Amino acid sequence: GAGVSQSPSNKVTEKGKDVELRCDPISGHTALYWYRQSLGQGLEFLIYFQGNSAPDKSGLPSDRFSAERTGGSVSTLTIQRTQQEDSAVYLCASSQTGGPLHFGNGTRLTVT
Amino acid sequence: KQEVTQIPAALSVPEGENLVLNCSFTDSAIYNLQWFRQDPGKGLTSLLLIQSSQREQTSGRLNASLDKSSGRSTLYIAASQPGDSATYLCAVYSGGGADGLTFGKGTHLIIQP
Repeated sequence: GAGVSQSPSNKVTEKGKDVELRCDPISGHTALYWYRQSLGQGLEFLIYFQGNSAPDKSGLPSDRFSAERTGGSVSTLTIQRTQQEDSAVYLCASSQTGGPLHFGNGTRLTVT
Repeated sequence: KQEVTQIPAALSVPEGENLVLNCSFTDSAIYNLQWFRQDPGKGLTSLLLIQSSQREQTSGRLNASLDKSSGRSTLYIAASQPGDSATYLCAVYSGGGADGLTFGKGTHLIIQP
């Protein structure tokens, strides 16, 4: 597609369940970022991929969060044993190194 | 460590006015600066990217300038419209990985009809 695609757009889950969020970056973009945004707040960096490797995982808030990227393209962010404080919009962005950053529309996660 | 500040945090102006949003950064060793808009409940939409060697970029009613030596960028919006209401963020890329990308907290803009 022409832009960054994220799925699902909305996810409601019960506390304690695992969720998987998907990001399809723009074709050819080597850099991929995951951010989290709570209501009315700024962007919170989670993880950065260059190709398939994750050189910077420093933003992951706990060991319940993990992410992978396969084939230098699709990335999945997995949250295990979700908690209510995980409720937020999860945003994915991709770029060619040093080029403009393009964001998806995000996945709105609600943990009940 | 790079710090990016956006002033004002919020701005409300009548329709038709020209306005300026400000972005300042502490480390002038940057590769580029990008302006985004974010509508409520949506992702960020890229507006303009200025490379470090450039002074300004224009797109329609938007003009972004960059003064690297003073650590400042401005986003000028001409003839504002209610549809311009959104949060505007600037992001500075200083190279390297995620550490090299720093966002401001944004300016929440309301254009009154």
